[in-house]
Amino acid sequence: EAGVAQSPRYKIIEKRQSVAFWCNPISGHATLYWYQQILGQGPKLLIQFQNNGVVDDSQLPKDRFSAERLKGVDSTLKIQPAKLEDSAVYLCASRSIGGRTGEKLFFGSGTQLSVL
Amino acid sequence: AQKVTQAQTEISVVEKEDVTLDCVYETRDTTYYLFWYKQPPSGELVFLIRRNSFDEQNEISGRYSWNFQKSTSSFNFTITASQVVDSAVYFCALSVLTGGGNKLTFGTGTQLKVEL
Repeated sequence: EAGVAQSPRYKIIEKRQSVAFWCNPISGHATLYWYQQILGQGPKLLIQFQNNGVVDDSQLPKDRFSAERLKGVDSTLKIQPAKLEDSAVYLCASRSIGGRTGEKLFFGSGTQLSVL
Repeated sequence: AQKVTQAQTEISVVEKEDVTLDCVYETRDTTYYLFWYKQPPSGELVFLIRRNSFDEQNEISGRYSWNFQKSTSSFNFTITASQVVDSAVYFCALSVLTGGGNKLTFGTGTQLKVEL
């Protein structure tokens, strides 16, 4: 079974530039998450999708971050414009069944963003 | 609000030693799930175990064991006879049901280094 795919693996940009990350979840997984993991910290939830609808984006900095999952499959996370503090690993995760608290998440390898 | 505390930032052991990783959580919900994930240098978070709030039975799986105690809000993880391949960052996480979806809150992680 293919895992969660993310690209690119690494990205280096200058502050105020724009960047986009792509995620393709495990086939059939209805729930998709984007997490931000700053060096030395645990992952922090940015946004959760259920199919193509947003369930939770309370911690997404909406002035510069946006995310979409138009067809309920793959998703794109964008930062515009980037700040130095956005340097982090951006992890995508998916889960097969929505609404069940105990279902485990499957994670991709992440995109490591460096903002200079 | 949910909170997960992993007080141990980094632990170093010599191969074959036993090591326990501590996790303390906070939640007002009576129904919740606790998880342990492993993050090797490759970056992908790998699911290890899940335990729900109604099941305090401790579990052993090979060299891994988990001790869940609701009275102290702790969910500790022990590796017996550690190996170099166990070197990774280990995250404890708490999941509660919020607004139709589940939100996974991570601790800050414990870096485990197993040396020869």
